[in-house]
Amino acid sequence: SQTIHQWPATLVQPVGSPLSLECTVEGTSNPNLYWYRQAAGRGLQLLFYSVGIGQISSEVPQNLSASRPQDRQFILSSKKLLLSDSGFYLCAWSAGLNQPQHFGDGTRLSIL
Amino acid sequence: AQRVTQPEKLLSVFKGAPVELKCNYSYSGSPELFWYVQYSRQRLQLLLRHISRESIKGFTADLNKGETSFHLKKPFAQEEDSAMYYCALINFGNEKLTFGTGTRLTIIP
Repeated sequence: SQTIHQWPATLVQPVGSPLSLECTVEGTSNPNLYWYRQAAGRGLQLLFYSVGIGQISSEVPQNLSASRPQDRQFILSSKKLLLSDSGFYLCAWSAGLNQPQHFGDGTRLSIL
Repeated sequence: AQRVTQPEKLLSVFKGAPVELKCNYSYSGSPELFWYVQYSRQRLQLLLRHISRESIKGFTADLNKGETSFHLKKPFAQEEDSAMYYCALINFGNEKLTFGTGTRLTIIP
């Protein structure tokens, strides 16, 4: 069966430090991969999605970037974190078009 | 542009009473709609999708294209239904899922 792993579960970082959140999927090949931010009162905001290795689409301009170095690996990064980057980040995968998305446990990121 | 609206941030219902979580959407094409649920300390997970026309945990949702709605309903609420519920719509063109802001449902014993 397919599983999705996301880590770390929580992260506290100082302003200006770099960021790397990792997400991996097992049990499937060529999944669509997604990064979301969940903010209180704003629901889930799609940040990036990828339909294949090296293919990244950005939904909103921001201080973050995403990469997909391997088929089942999706990384969310930043060179210099801002206070506004605090939030709850969710990774998800789907088998493709018209398929439900399956979410990881999320990472709670706090910027000090 | 597609949009999903959940007008109620919070909803409290007594155990055994009917539940209706509202969801309205705007989308120029033919929509595919989902309800996701997040129970306390658990992952966000798919509850149901309109194309399946299933009843999951006693919940149903009917797509009403005339009213552009996809309300989630259950005739008799149970305590374990307390959770955060998100309505979502998929854009077939780019496979993006647009979520509503969510409704926190609390079942009062």
